[in-house]
Amino acid sequence: QQPVQSPQAVILREGEDAVINCSSSKALYSVHWYRQKHGEAPVFLMILLKGGEQKGHEKISASFNEKKQQSSLYLTASQLSYSGTYFCGLGGETSGSRLTFGEGTQLTVNP
Amino acid sequence: GAGVSQSPRYKVTKRGQDVALRCDPISGHVSLYWYRQALGQGPEFLTYFNYEAQQDKSGLPNDRFSAERPEGSISTLTIQRTEQRDSAMYRCASSLAGGGGSPLHFGNGTRLTVT
Repeated sequence: QQPVQSPQAVILREGEDAVINCSSSKALYSVHWYRQKHGEAPVFLMILLKGGEQKGHEKISASFNEKKQQSSLYLTASQLSYSGTYFCGLGGETSGSRLTFGEGTQLTVNP
Repeated sequence: GAGVSQSPRYKVTKRGQDVALRCDPISGHVSLYWYRQALGQGPEFLTYFNYEAQQDKSGLPNDRFSAERPEGSISTLTIQRTEQRDSAMYRCASSLAGGGGSPLHFGNGTRLTVT
Protein backbone atom coordinates (compact mmCIF):
# COMPACT_ATOMS: atom_id res chain seq x y z
CA GLN A 1 0.00 0.00 0.00
CA GLN A 2 1.28 3.42 -0.98
CA PRO A 3 2.58 5.63 1.85
CA VAL A 4 0.84 8.94 2.44
CA GLN A 5 2.97 12.06 2.28
CA SER A 6 2.01 15.42 3.74
CA PRO A 7 1.88 18.18 2.89
CA GLN A 8 1.40 17.75 -0.87
CA ALA A 9 3.13 21.05 -1.51
CA VAL A 10 4.91 23.72 0.48
CA ILE A 11 6.35 27.11 -0.41
CA LEU A 12 9.13 28.59 1.69
CA ARG A 13 11.29 31.65 1.80
CA GLU A 14 15.02 31.01 1.83
CA GLY A 15 16.14 30.33 5.40
CA GLU A 16 12.81 28.93 6.60
CA ASP A 17 12.30 25.41 7.94
CA ALA A 18 10.01 22.64 6.67
CA VAL A 19 8.85 19.20 7.76
CA ILE A 20 7.63 16.52 5.36
CA ASN A 21 5.81 13.50 6.76
CA CYS A 22 5.45 10.00 5.40
CA SER A 23 2.95 7.57 6.93
CA SER A 24 2.35 3.92 6.32
CA SER A 25 -0.43 1.52 7.23
CA LYS A 26 2.07 -1.35 7.30
CA ALA A 27 4.98 -2.16 9.59
CA LEU A 28 8.16 -0.52 8.37
CA TYR A 29 11.61 -1.94 7.92
CA SER A 30 13.34 0.79 5.95
CA VAL A 31 12.57 4.32 4.83
CA HIS A 32 14.34 6.00 1.93
CA TRP A 33 14.14 9.69 1.10
CA TYR A 34 14.82 11.06 -2.41
CA ARG A 35 14.66 14.49 -4.01
CA GLN A 36 13.74 14.93 -7.66
CA LYS A 37 14.18 18.14 -9.61
CA HIS A 38 12.06 18.80 -12.66
CA GLY A 39 13.17 16.70 -15.64
CA GLU A 40 15.81 14.83 -13.64
CA ALA A 41 16.17 11.48 -11.90
CA PRO A 42 15.40 11.09 -8.20
CA VAL A 43 18.51 11.57 -6.08
CA PHE A 44 19.13 9.72 -2.83
CA LEU A 45 19.11 11.75 0.41
CA MET A 46 19.14 9.19 3.22
CA ILE A 47 18.01 5.80 4.51
CA LEU A 48 16.65 4.99 7.93
CA LEU A 49 16.33 1.44 9.12
CA LYS A 50 14.06 -0.07 11.74
CA GLY A 51 15.06 1.21 15.15
CA GLY A 52 13.61 4.72 15.43
CA GLU A 53 16.90 6.42 14.71
CA GLN A 54 17.37 9.93 13.49
CA LYS A 55 19.85 10.69 10.77
CA GLY A 56 21.30 13.98 9.67
CA HIS A 57 23.06 15.36 6.67
CA GLU A 58 24.02 19.01 7.09
CA LYS A 59 20.73 20.85 7.37
CA ILE A 60 18.56 17.91 6.32
CA SER A 61 17.66 15.24 8.85
CA ALA A 62 15.05 12.56 9.24
CA SER A 63 13.42 10.46 11.90
CA PHE A 64 11.78 7.06 11.79
CA ASN A 65 9.09 6.24 14.33
CA GLU A 66 8.48 2.52 14.08
CA LYS A 67 5.57 2.58 16.51
CA LYS A 68 3.70 5.28 14.60
CA GLN A 69 4.79 3.76 11.27
CA GLN A 70 5.90 7.20 10.22
CA SER A 71 8.99 9.02 9.04
CA SER A 72 9.59 12.75 8.91
CA LEU A 73 12.12 14.73 6.89
CA TYR A 74 13.34 17.99 8.43
CA LEU A 75 14.82 20.75 6.30
CA THR A 76 16.29 23.61 8.28
CA ALA A 77 17.44 26.99 7.02
CA SER A 78 16.29 26.04 3.52
CA GLN A 79 18.34 26.99 0.49
CA LEU A 80 17.18 27.64 -3.08
CA SER A 81 18.78 24.33 -4.07
CA TYR A 82 16.34 22.46 -1.83
CA SER A 83 13.51 23.07 -4.30
CA GLY A 84 12.14 19.91 -5.85
CA THR A 85 9.79 17.04 -5.18
CA TYR A 86 10.58 14.87 -2.17
CA PHE A 87 9.62 11.20 -2.15
CA CYS A 88 9.68 8.69 0.65
CA GLY A 89 10.09 5.04 -0.30
CA LEU A 90 9.13 2.38 2.20
CA GLY A 91 10.45 -1.16 2.49
CA GLY A 92 8.66 -3.81 4.49
CA GLU A 93 10.30 -6.67 6.34
CA THR A 94 9.03 -9.24 3.87
CA SER A 95 9.15 -7.13 0.73
CA GLY A 96 12.93 -7.14 0.64
CA SER A 97 14.33 -4.62 -1.77
CA ARG A 98 10.97 -3.57 -3.16
CA LEU A 99 10.29 0.07 -2.23
CA THR A 100 6.84 1.60 -2.39
CA PHE A 101 7.03 5.34 -3.02
CA GLY A 102 4.64 8.05 -1.91
CA GLU A 103 3.12 10.58 -4.29
CA GLY A 104 5.67 13.19 -3.34
CA THR A 105 5.80 16.60 -1.69
CA GLN A 106 6.59 19.55 -3.93
CA LEU A 107 8.86 22.01 -2.15
CA THR A 108 9.53 25.46 -3.54
CA VAL A 109 12.09 27.75 -1.93
CA ASN A 110 11.90 31.37 -2.99
CA PRO A 111 14.55 34.07 -2.43
CA GLY B 1 32.40 6.80 -12.06
CA ALA B 2 29.56 6.57 -14.54
CA GLY B 3 26.03 6.48 -13.26
CA VAL B 4 23.12 4.31 -14.38
CA SER B 5 22.72 4.59 -18.13
CA GLN B 6 19.43 4.00 -19.94
CA SER B 7 18.69 3.87 -23.63
CA PRO B 8 16.96 5.10 -25.60
CA ARG B 9 16.13 8.37 -23.82
CA TYR B 10 12.93 8.69 -25.85
CA LYS B 11 10.95 6.06 -27.65
CA VAL B 12 7.85 6.65 -29.74
CA THR B 13 6.11 3.55 -30.97
CA LYS B 14 2.82 2.58 -32.51
CA ARG B 15 0.25 0.60 -30.62
CA GLY B 16 0.83 -3.12 -31.03
CA GLN B 17 4.60 -2.90 -31.54
CA ASP B 18 7.13 -4.44 -29.16
CA VAL B 19 9.74 -2.28 -27.43
CA ALA B 20 12.95 -3.09 -25.56
CA LEU B 21 14.37 -0.69 -22.99
CA ARG B 22 17.95 -1.06 -21.89
CA CYS B 23 19.63 -0.37 -18.57
CA ASP B 24 23.35 -0.37 -17.80
CA PRO B 25 23.80 -0.22 -14.01
CA ILE B 26 26.72 1.13 -12.02
CA SER B 27 29.61 -1.30 -12.23
CA GLY B 28 29.66 -3.67 -9.27
CA HIS B 29 26.09 -3.06 -8.20
CA VAL B 30 24.40 -6.29 -7.28
CA SER B 31 20.78 -5.18 -7.45
CA LEU B 32 18.95 -3.70 -10.40
CA TYR B 33 15.41 -2.33 -10.33
CA TRP B 34 12.84 -1.25 -12.87
CA TYR B 35 10.33 1.42 -11.92
CA ARG B 36 7.69 3.28 -13.91
CA GLN B 37 6.94 6.91 -13.13
CA ALA B 38 3.88 8.81 -14.29
CA LEU B 39 4.06 12.59 -14.43
CA GLY B 40 3.71 14.08 -10.98
CA GLN B 41 3.77 10.69 -9.26
CA GLY B 42 6.31 8.68 -7.34
CA PRO B 43 8.13 5.76 -8.96
CA GLU B 44 6.05 2.58 -9.17
CA PHE B 45 7.92 -0.71 -8.65
CA LEU B 46 7.96 -3.18 -11.53
CA THR B 47 10.65 -5.77 -10.84
CA TYR B 48 14.14 -6.27 -9.47
CA PHE B 49 17.17 -8.54 -9.83
CA ASN B 50 20.02 -9.63 -7.63
CA TYR B 51 22.81 -10.51 -10.01
CA GLU B 52 21.06 -12.37 -12.85
CA ALA B 53 18.21 -13.73 -10.74
CA GLN B 54 14.84 -12.01 -10.91
CA GLN B 55 13.84 -11.79 -7.25
CA ASP B 56 10.49 -10.08 -7.48
CA LYS B 57 8.31 -9.39 -10.50
CA SER B 58 5.13 -8.67 -8.60
CA GLY B 59 4.92 -5.12 -9.99
CA LEU B 60 4.83 -6.09 -13.66
CA PRO B 61 1.32 -5.04 -14.78
CA ASN B 62 0.60 -8.08 -16.98
CA ASP B 63 2.31 -10.75 -19.05
CA ARG B 64 3.14 -8.32 -21.86
CA PHE B 65 5.91 -7.03 -19.62
CA SER B 66 9.09 -9.01 -19.03
CA ALA B 67 12.63 -8.29 -17.92
CA GLU B 68 15.94 -10.06 -17.98
CA ARG B 69 19.48 -9.55 -16.76
CA PRO B 70 21.23 -12.58 -18.25
CA GLU B 71 24.81 -11.87 -17.15
CA GLY B 72 24.08 -9.97 -13.98
CA SER B 73 24.88 -6.60 -15.49
CA ILE B 74 22.88 -5.01 -18.31
CA SER B 75 19.12 -5.48 -18.14
CA THR B 76 16.37 -5.24 -20.72
CA LEU B 77 12.71 -4.48 -20.03
CA THR B 78 10.53 -5.67 -22.89
CA ILE B 79 6.95 -4.64 -23.51
CA GLN B 80 5.08 -6.66 -26.12
CA ARG B 81 2.07 -5.46 -28.08
CA THR B 82 2.29 -1.99 -26.58
CA GLU B 83 -0.86 -0.11 -25.61
CA GLN B 84 -1.41 3.60 -25.08
CA ARG B 85 -1.67 3.08 -21.32
CA ASP B 86 1.95 1.88 -21.34
CA SER B 87 3.10 5.44 -22.06
CA ALA B 88 5.25 6.60 -19.14
CA MET B 89 8.79 7.26 -17.95
CA TYR B 90 10.56 3.96 -17.29
CA ARG B 91 13.38 4.27 -14.80
CA CYS B 92 16.08 1.83 -13.94
CA ALA B 93 17.98 1.97 -10.65
CA SER B 94 20.83 0.00 -9.18
CA SER B 95 22.16 -0.49 -5.67
CA LEU B 96 25.31 -1.96 -4.20
CA ALA B 97 23.30 -4.54 -2.30
CA GLY B 98 19.70 -5.58 -1.92
CA GLY B 99 17.50 -5.83 1.14
CA GLY B 100 16.39 -2.20 1.35
CA GLY B 101 19.47 -0.97 3.17
CA SER B 102 21.36 0.45 0.18
CA PRO B 103 20.63 3.68 -1.69
CA LEU B 104 19.05 3.41 -5.12
CA HIS B 105 20.86 5.21 -7.93
CA PHE B 106 18.36 6.09 -10.64
CA GLY B 107 19.03 6.51 -14.33
CA ASN B 108 17.61 9.37 -16.42
CA GLY B 109 14.91 7.09 -17.71
CA THR B 110 13.33 6.21 -21.04
CA ARG B 111 10.26 8.24 -21.96
CA LEU B 112 7.95 5.85 -23.82
CA THR B 113 5.11 7.22 -25.90
CA VAL B 114 2.68 4.81 -27.54
CA THR B 115 0.61 6.38 -30.30
